[in-house]
Amino acid sequence: AQRVTQPEKLLSVFKGAPVELKCNYSYSGSPELFWYVQYSRQRLQLLLRHISRESIKGFTADLNKGETSFHLKKPFAQEEDSAMYYCALIGGNTGKLIFGQGTTLQVKP
Amino acid sequence: EPEVTQTPSHQVTQMGQEVILRCVPISNHLYFYWYRQILGQKVEFLVSFYNNEISEKSEIFDDQFSVERPDGSNFTLKIRSTKLEDSAMYFCASTSGTIKNIQYFGAGTRLSVL
Repeated sequence: AQRVTQPEKLLSVFKGAPVELKCNYSYSGSPELFWYVQYSRQRLQLLLRHISRESIKGFTADLNKGETSFHLKKPFAQEEDSAMYYCALIGGNTGKLIFGQGTTLQVKP
Repeated sequence: EPEVTQTPSHQVTQMGQEVILRCVPISNHLYFYWYRQILGQKVEFLVSFYNNEISEKSEIFDDQFSVERPDGSNFTLKIRSTKLEDSAMYFCASTSGTIKNIQYFGAGTRLSVL
């Protein structure tokens, strides 16, 4: 079964601390993985995708096929990073996104 | 930057009534999707639409649901006879080119069924 798991509902850190939002997936084949972010009162928007291998707003995510993980990391959290983060994969042949439960990141001053 | 537009932002309806949620995808996009998010739960796929027909639908998307692209710009989700459990945030998304491209989401319509 295709599934995305984000084990933490809430992650609270202080400004300047490192952040790691966990994501594990279950998928047979080569997955396309994404992190979407939803800032307060804004729409879901793409943060990054694994095939681009880029760093956006200081965030990176590495696909680990052995551990079936795609954790999101940032070395120094900023208050403006506070948001809801969703890990997702493309499942099937129609491009549908399968989302994890989401993790709320709260960065305290 | 072009955006996916959804209207209304909030829809309140009585149980058993029909509702139509509207979306205007980004103009050159080819693949369209509806998702929903019940309060406190994950975002769930409902249906995908390509080339004027449904390409995939989830178990949630039963006979009470239908989608249409009536005029080449709007993409609508109709719920024929709403139930209390249909109360949720409904998101429209679209993407260009291939199915593996980035999906752009609308701001959502909050549906409240009383």
